[in-house]
Amino acid sequence: GENVEQHPSTLSVQEGDSAVIKCTYSDSASNYFPWYKQELGKRPQLIIDIRSNVGEKKDQRIAVTLNKTAKHFSLHITETQPEDSAVYFCAASQTTGNQFYFGTGTSLTVIP
Amino acid sequence: GAGVSQSPSNKVTEKGKDVELRCDPISGHTALYWYRQRLGQGLEFLIYFQGNSAPDKSGLPSDRFSAERTGESVSTLTIQRTQQEDSAVYLCASSLYSSNQPQHFGDGTRLSIL
Repeated sequence: GENVEQHPSTLSVQEGDSAVIKCTYSDSASNYFPWYKQELGKRPQLIIDIRSNVGEKKDQRIAVTLNKTAKHFSLHITETQPEDSAVYFCAASQTTGNQFYFGTGTSLTVIP
Repeated sequence: GAGVSQSPSNKVTEKGKDVELRCDPISGHTALYWYRQRLGQGLEFLIYFQGNSAPDKSGLPSDRFSAERTGESVSTLTIQRTQQEDSAVYLCASSLYSSNQPQHFGDGTRLSIL
């Protein structure tokens, strides 16, 4: 089955700097890659997603890039703010299949 | 409501008791998932329902865990003879019709076994 690895497990950045979180996957059939943000004690919320037919997607300060050949995708947050502090999870899934395969999470701290 | 609803939000029970957790998905969402999240950990897949198809139970950790869903509506997750290691947040998510669509999560049930 699919195996999703996520790095780093913790990340601290100064406010205003950029943050990058990377995930790798093993199954070339995976074609949908969402990112979730989970604030302490709250539900995971979808912040951005990308499908395998595109290489990059942006939404204001957040972007996701996908390299299908290398089987990795990354979350980029620019001009970080303290409210970006949370745990971020990547995931991979396929058109045919039952599961989302989640990464182990990255705890991001933005230092004011 | 507009989102995924879970109840109860918190449950404290004694070891050995049975518990039942409820999930009300977004109306029209045929896919429903249960996950377990231990403190400071990631999301552990438990079970997946898709319409009237047989559920994918491959993530259930033991035969003490079971889940049901009637059609495309409410789902219940039952844990029998609870153990302390069952303490966790149990999250439910639904998506429009498959695993290739965005998942929408509920707030979860925080289960504490004394």
